Amino acid sequence: DSGVTQTPKHLITATGQRVTLRCSPRSGDLSVYWYQQSLDQGLQFLIQYYNGEERAKGNILERFSAQQFPDLHSELNLSSLELGDSALYFCASSPTGGDNSPLHFGNGTRLTVT
Amino acid sequence: GEDVEQSLFLSVREGDSSVINCTYTDSSSTYLYWYKQEPGAGLQLLTYIFSNMDMKQDQRLTVLLNKKDKHLSLRIADTQTGDSAIYFCAYEVTFGIGTKLQVIP
Repeated sequence: DSGVTQTPKHLITATGQRVTLRCSPRSGDLSVYWYQQSLDQGLQFLIQYYNGEERAKGNILERFSAQQFPDLHSELNLSSLELGDSALYFCASSPTGGDNSPLHFGNGTRLTVT
Repeated sequence: GEDVEQSLFLSVREGDSSVINCTYTDSSSTYLYWYKQEPGAGLQLLTYIFSNMDMKQDQRLTVLLNKKDKHLSLRIADTQTGDSAIYFCAYEVTFGIGTKLQVIP
């Protein structure tokens, strides 16, 4: 158990809808990362937060947004969903957000858009 | 931009050694990492190497780093069926596409 909790485990929704994925980092970790994993694209970095502030941005679509709250949990909001958004979404956390600490991953949320 | 490349698939017989390779673009990262993803699970840190090292050994795992060629490899000795998984090379926030290791009994 990595200590990173993601909910829900599975989500099925229709095109055009909006969903929110939630992540609780490991106790003591200040940085949260979001990744999208699909078969053809591998693991794509979306965004990183550190102590409530956005630290780095990757290939995140404008339809997607995220935030990290004062209690350090994070939410990833996906809107105007398309079939191609179907993927596994992972959250990871680390103590400092620097490259000298490995990431600890949750078990992911599997999103299916129909 | 920053990128990490890995082959997609590797098949080995149980008991043989597995070597998974990775190349990366320019990076000033202090550490390079190998993660393992088992079916239905998230990624777990397997091992790492400090950027000023050439080699690191950790039980059955050996990591080799060639900074000049920007090449990283993971060798698994005496590969077992439980090693079947996807292996990711990573630095900073960038991950490779993952190499699926299939171990044939």
